[in-house]
Amino acid sequence: GENVEQHPSTLSVQEGDSAVIKCTYSDSASNYFPWYKQELGKGPQLIIDIRSNVGEKKDQRIAVTLNKTAKHFSLHITETQPEDSAVYFCAASTNTGNQFYFGTGTSLTVIP
Amino acid sequence: EAGVAQSPRYKIIEKRQSVAFWCNPISGHATLYWYQQILGQGPKLLIQFQNNGVVDDSQLPKDRFSAERLKGVDSTLKIQPAKLEDSAVYLCASSPITTVETQYFGPGTRLLVL
Repeated sequence: GENVEQHPSTLSVQEGDSAVIKCTYSDSASNYFPWYKQELGKGPQLIIDIRSNVGEKKDQRIAVTLNKTAKHFSLHITETQPEDSAVYFCAASTNTGNQFYFGTGTSLTVIP
Repeated sequence: EAGVAQSPRYKIIEKRQSVAFWCNPISGHATLYWYQQILGQGPKLLIQFQNNGVVDDSQLPKDRFSAERLKGVDSTLKIQPAKLEDSAVYLCASSPITTVETQYFGPGTRLLVL
């Protein structure tokens, strides 16, 4: 089955700086890559996603890039704010069954 | 639009006891998922339903876990008997269709087995 690895496990940045989280996947059939933000005591919430037919997608301060050849994708958050502090999870999925394989999470702390 | 509802939010039981969790998905969502999230890890799929049928339960420990989705709406997940290693957050998610699509997660039920 699919194996998703995520780095780093913890990340601290100063407010206003950028944060980058990277994930790799093993199954070349994976074609959908969502990113979720999970705040303490809450369920994961989708923040951005990308499909395998595009290389980059941006939504305000958040962007995701995908390199299908290398089987890795990254989350970029610019101009970080304290409210960006949370655990971020990447995931990979194929068309068949829509099962998500999650990474192990990155705990992001934005220091005011 | 109301989100995915789960109850209870917290549960503490002793090992070998049984426990049940309830999930109400977003109205109209045909697909429902139960995930187990152990502290410090990403969610792991336990079972996936489409309407009231099971699509994937390959990672469900069937000797102690069971789930049902009667009438294709609400779902319950049961553990009987519970083990210490079942301590985790149990997340329910739903999505409109079974093709690649966004999954909407509930707040989860935090289970502690003593």
